[in-house]
Amino acid sequence: QMQLVQSGPEVKKPGTSVKVSCKASGFTLTDSAVQWVRQARGQRLEWMGWIVVGSGDTHYAQKFQEGVTITRDMSTSTVYMELSSLTFADTAVYYCAAEDSSAWYYGRGYGMGVWGQGTTVTVSS
Amino acid sequence: DIQMTQFPSSLSASVGDRVTITCRASQTINSYLNWYQQKVGKAPKLLINAVSSLVSGVPSRFSGSGFGTDFTLTISSLEPEDFATYYCQQSHSVPRTFGQGTKVEIK
Repeated sequence: QMQLVQSGPEVKKPGTSVKVSCKASGFTLTDSAVQWVRQARGQRLEWMGWIVVGSGDTHYAQKFQEGVTITRDMSTSTVYMELSSLTFADTAVYYCAAEDSSAWYYGRGYGMGVWGQGTTVTVSS
Repeated sequence: DIQMTQFPSSLSASVGDRVTITCRASQTINSYLNWYQQKVGKAPKLLINAVSSLVSGVPSRFSGSGFGTDFTLTISSLEPEDFATYYCQQSHSVPRTFGQGTKVEIK
């Protein structure tokens, strides 16, 4: 069974950092681009960035280029997303999701077929 | 960045109704258009990719069409479990962008 399992909820103070993990099982992670998507309460899905697991290449949405770092640990099939300099506006549910990069045509793909369960990050003073 | 616009943002419908949701891209994305269903408190679920390919296990009452910049998701006969929010998403370019969502509510 293909799945992504994320770490538990976090409560952080403004100005600090949070690191969320996303562990894969049941599929070949090296054939995936693992993406991070966040959703504030009642808001739309917001794409933050990805890591192409096989190559380690990353790409971030412009809004997140300064504050987000996505890494992977191949030995444990885990991808991490670290968000720094937290503000109240970062309070949201954070999802990891995998897109099959082996099917890509010049980076064009076919959607995120496996999702984590979501991690709630609350920024509170 | 490619902007994705969905409409309507919400709709009310009854079980058995035919429902159509529209998604427009700010530039051509060929057939790299996907649809997701999200229920309250749950992660999104990929329903359709490449405009019209149903993901395994998705009922045949769901269908998608379009090419280039204009796309539609149709539910031919709404079932109780279909009440959810639906998002389109382009996988043509990075960043991978989503529409703002369409909430399908019970009339």
